[in-house]
Amino acid sequence: AQKITQTQPGMFVQEKEAVTLDCTYDTSDQSYGLFWYKQPSSGEMIFLIYQGSYDEQNATEGRYSLNFQKARKSANLVISASQLGDSAMYFCAMSPIQGAQKLVFGQGTRLTINP
Amino acid sequence: KAGVTQTPRYLIKTRGQQVTLSCSPISGHRSVSWYQQTPGQGLQFLFEYFSETQRNKGNFPGRFSGRQFSNSRSEMNVSTLELGDSALYLCASSRDTVYEQYFGPGTRLTVT
Repeated sequence: AQKITQTQPGMFVQEKEAVTLDCTYDTSDQSYGLFWYKQPSSGEMIFLIYQGSYDEQNATEGRYSLNFQKARKSANLVISASQLGDSAMYFCAMSPIQGAQKLVFGQGTRLTINP
Repeated sequence: KAGVTQTPRYLIKTRGQQVTLSCSPISGHRSVSWYQQTPGQGLQFLFEYFSETQRNKGNFPGRFSGRQFSNSRSEMNVSTLELGDSALYLCASSRDTVYEQYFGPGTRLTVT
């Protein structure tokens, strides 16, 4: 079984600062995918970034980067130059490579950006 | 390009009733997944449909069922509603070979 742990229920960051959201995972699968989603108060889940377990380089998407440390089973999300619009819930998730449509989510981190 | 749409957006039902939720995926997407989100249990996978067939299933009782039509639109049904079924139900669609799922805005179900 796969499990995602997000240990930060809430984080408060000043605008323009960088922020790291923690995510650790547990799986017996050799191949898997790691995801980060953003959920604003509207409820819709917004895909941010993906990392495959065999990808050697850390994934980056604009201001988002995924710090993937396979030996430590961690997949932290780094947001550079935070903006007020980044305030939202952030979820780390994983899936088997062959079952990417079946995501297992962590409990989420509520990020608040202060002006 | 239109996103994933879910109807209705809000729903109030009474315990013991049944409910049907609808999801229209992005054009060209043949996979539709359903998730339940509650404050206590978080986000949990319900099931996934691909080409009208249930391909993956989560750990939910048989009261939760779904189907997919030939145009990839999907419905999920919950029978004999319980208070604990109150949740945000999210639908997501994707192309089969692509990992990225696009989520709809969700249907918020309240059971009284």
